[in-house]
Amino acid sequence: DIQMTQSPSTLSASIGDRVTITCRASQSISSWLAWYQQRPGKAPTLLIYRASSLQRGVPSSFSGSGSGTEFTLTISSLQPDAVATYYCQQYNSYPWTFGQGTKVEIK
Amino acid sequence: QVQLQESGPGLVKPSETLSLTCTVSGGSVSSANYYWSWIRQPPGKGLEWVGNMYYSGSTTYNPSLKTRVTISVDTSKNQFSLNLSSVTAADTAVYYCARGFTVVRGVIYDYWGQGTLVTVSS
Repeated sequence: DIQMTQSPSTLSASIGDRVTITCRASQSISSWLAWYQQRPGKAPTLLIYRASSLQRGVPSSFSGSGSGTEFTLTISSLQPDAVATYYCQQYNSYPWTFGQGTKVEIK
Repeated sequence: QVQLQESGPGLVKPSETLSLTCTVSGGSVSSANYYWSWIRQPPGKGLEWVGNMYYSGSTTYNPSLKTRVTISVDTSKNQFSLNLSSVTAADTAVYYCARGFTVVRGVIYDYWGQGTLVTVSS
């Protein structure tokens, strides 16, 4: 199985800050990476796929980059509704696997 | 707007079979090129992919669960189901059903149910 490792596990930032989350794959997954947002008590929602393609309806304050084994999710200006846990998912090969999550909080 | 809703028992005894159903509205489980999937999340932990059923009926399961899991579809009711046998406390989780699609390769999930907590306990 491909292991996905996210850092940091928890991130505390101020409103308006630029926030970056990293996801590393245990082997190359090309650009077959998605990011999800999970607000407390809710189901995940798809933010980004193919490492950098924004899902319809997702604010442009979210962006993704990377390829191979290292990827980043960036929130350009942190807002209160971005308080959530963020997960990366590789879909290069079965079984699809997720990172352990990064919890984003407001400082 | 596609909506998915999980249903089933919230409590299952160890060694028994967990059975959940996902009812799909606003779309059809027979729609071409979609995957109908189950993903679970133990309390306070991350997400684990359980398995997919392609619209054609073919299935793929997580090898860690493969000997115990079955996903099936009932097109007449626009539902798909999960059966997980011989459960233990480690199977306690929120179970999500989700619709998956492919962009060239793999499967990603654009619509999810709200999730249902299943606790394995005697």
